Amino acid sequence: EAQVTQNPRYLITVTGKKLTVTCSQNMNHEYMSWYRQDPGLGLRQIYYSMNVEVTDKGDVPEGYKVSRKEKRNFPLILESPSPNQTSLYFCASSFGTGEKLFFGSGTQLSVL
Amino acid sequence: GENVEQHPSTLSVQEGDSAVIKCTYSDSASNYFPWYKQELGKGPQLIIDIRSNVGEKKDQRIAVTLNKTAKHFSLHITETQPEDSAVYFCAATSGGYQKVTFGIGTKLQVIP
Repeated sequence: EAQVTQNPRYLITVTGKKLTVTCSQNMNHEYMSWYRQDPGLGLRQIYYSMNVEVTDKGDVPEGYKVSRKEKRNFPLILESPSPNQTSLYFCASSFGTGEKLFFGSGTQLSVL
Repeated sequence: GENVEQHPSTLSVQEGDSAVIKCTYSDSASNYFPWYKQELGKGPQLIIDIRSNVGEKKDQRIAVTLNKTAKHFSLHITETQPEDSAVYFCAATSGGYQKVTFGIGTKLQVIP
């Protein structure tokens, strides 16, 4: 089954404790991206990647890092999480660009 | 950068009636406009999209219209059903389809 898999589904952490949210797709997609969803703000793009070792900032990249060492994986790293990063995070992928995105099921992150 | 405004934020319709959601965008270079449906507890799912060289596109009960001059596009759902109840997001892509900007979302409730 074609899918984008995010882990974990729920995560509670404390300020300053580094964490990684994993994202993996099995569709051989070149494009992958991360979004955060907040009430009243919709979905905002954090980072995107056009291919292995190619990443670029979206609209809200501050406080986040990403890496794309393999085509199928695109982890989101929070080196020093803060409470304002409490949000619902989605990973998405598509064949070549930001068109026709396939989304994961989301990761609900709470930073205390 | 691109700015996408979406309204209304909530919409209630009777089953069988039509629903219309409208979005405006700011970047005249944007050329791809998708609509995503997000059901409770799930990631967004693409339901229809349109490119800037097309004025209208239909898929069964849903349609999207685009007015490039006015920089707005709309989602039309006819003969609404309870399963249409969800949050709907519009989006615009720019930068060669790499950057994706979403609207804030519309929560549609279809009343049986």
